[in-house]
Amino acid sequence: AQKVTQAQTEISVVEKEDVTLDCVYETRDTTYYLFWYKQPPSGELVFLIRRNSFDEQNEISGRYSWNFQKSTSSFNFTITASQVVDSAVYFCALSETTGANSKLTFGKGITLSVRP
Amino acid sequence: GAGVSQTPSNKVTEKGKYVELRCDPISGHTALYWYRQSLGQGPEFLIYFQGTGAADDSGLPNDRFFAVRPEGSVSTLKIQRTERGDSAVYLCASSLSGGFGNTIYFGEGSWLTVV
Repeated sequence: AQKVTQAQTEISVVEKEDVTLDCVYETRDTTYYLFWYKQPPSGELVFLIRRNSFDEQNEISGRYSWNFQKSTSSFNFTITASQVVDSAVYFCALSETTGANSKLTFGKGITLSVRP
Repeated sequence: GAGVSQTPSNKVTEKGKYVELRCDPISGHTALYWYRQSLGQGPEFLIYFQGTGAADDSGLPNDRFFAVRPEGSVSTLKIQRTERGDSAVYLCASSLSGGFGNTIYFGEGSWLTVV
């Protein structure tokens, strides 16, 4: 069973538009961590945020914000006033206690294209 | 170095050949991970090292794949008798410790093409 679902595969926006990337997860654990990573064309996965299951407070970092809702098992990512440099593949990932280490389960990723 | 370093960045090999991929983790990180990413997919876990030992190798697809980390720092992923289906990006990552929930930092990957 897929544990991290990123239903959107490709999104294209014009610069300065806001865009939300959806992530839905599935786990039986009560304690878990959620992550977002950005993968630019260079290929490196760049860490963006980590959120534990007990902290449902939304977070804002510059133009980035995250909305974590346990009731709907979602951890959505919004980019405000998008820029061309935001073009990349974005992955949501889950780390569960059953793994006994920091092993991550990734979604399939969302390709975001920001046009000038 | 400042980040996770992987070599080679690109490798083309013939079917049936042996391949080694190297990873140098962030200095001071005791936990090291290997992931594999196929085109259009998210990374998939292969193996996890805590120090020198492979603490979790449940993601290795078969016995052609093997990894070592003899001194608890640099790791080598070894693939024997390569097949075309092994073509993928092999990502190495490290974290400060292997405890649950630690942030994992990734390298740029080694692109392997088996022809």
